[in-house]
Amino acid sequence: VLTRPPSVSVAPGQTARITCGANNIASETVHWYQQKPGQAPILVVYVNSGRPSGIPERFSGSNSGNTATLTISRVEAGDEADYYCQVWDSSTNHVVFGGGTKLTVL
Amino acid sequence: EVQLVESGGGLVQPGGSLRLSCAVSGFTFSSSSMFWVRQAPGKGLEWVSYISSSSSVIYYADSVKGRFTISRDNAKNSLFLQMNSVRDEDTALYYCARQGIQNPTRYYMDVWGKGTTVTVS
Repeated sequence: VLTRPPSVSVAPGQTARITCGANNIASETVHWYQQKPGQAPILVVYVNSGRPSGIPERFSGSNSGNTATLTISRVEAGDEADYYCQVWDSSTNHVVFGGGTKLTVL
Repeated sequence: EVQLVESGGGLVQPGGSLRLSCAVSGFTFSSSSMFWVRQAPGKGLEWVSYISSSSSVIYYADSVKGRFTISRDNAKNSLFLQMNSVRDEDTALYYCARQGIQNPTRYYMDVWGKGTTVTVS
């Protein structure tokens, strides 16, 4: 089970940190998706900290201990979306998504 | 341009069947493993199934195992999801997605379609 805050609020220009927790999640590889209303998800971070082509450098990821974090620097109004973390459970061969965190830009 | 286009959704009665399709273009489909992911109205993402490039490896979520069947036709660049014995809780927007090519040894999705809606009622 991946735990996360249901919502995060941040002012424009500030830094948003969205967390994804699990026991020893650092031993897993974590991926992050952004989903805006009415749109399909898009990959913003893969394998903990990789950034796909076309994703701004403002998006970064880290994974340590029991918490993985998606960091969005210099937040813009267009970053307002739901963000999902995802891991692969090798014990069950299942993809697991976190419940999603709604980022609100104040 | 990489494109994934789902189709086949619609209204189906409980206990009925539906076959979803995903037509892909812009990349070598036969080399890519694929996923189905769904999203119930107002809810989060839920993984449904995975199929490897050669169909040799297939996984299902517990919620659909025994009722849904994933398959692919590499000659036709198409992915399928046969849904049998559908339930109210299968109502969702169904996405097909490609396994990430940035790190092919890891299970994640780097390209998604826009989805097709399934309503069980």
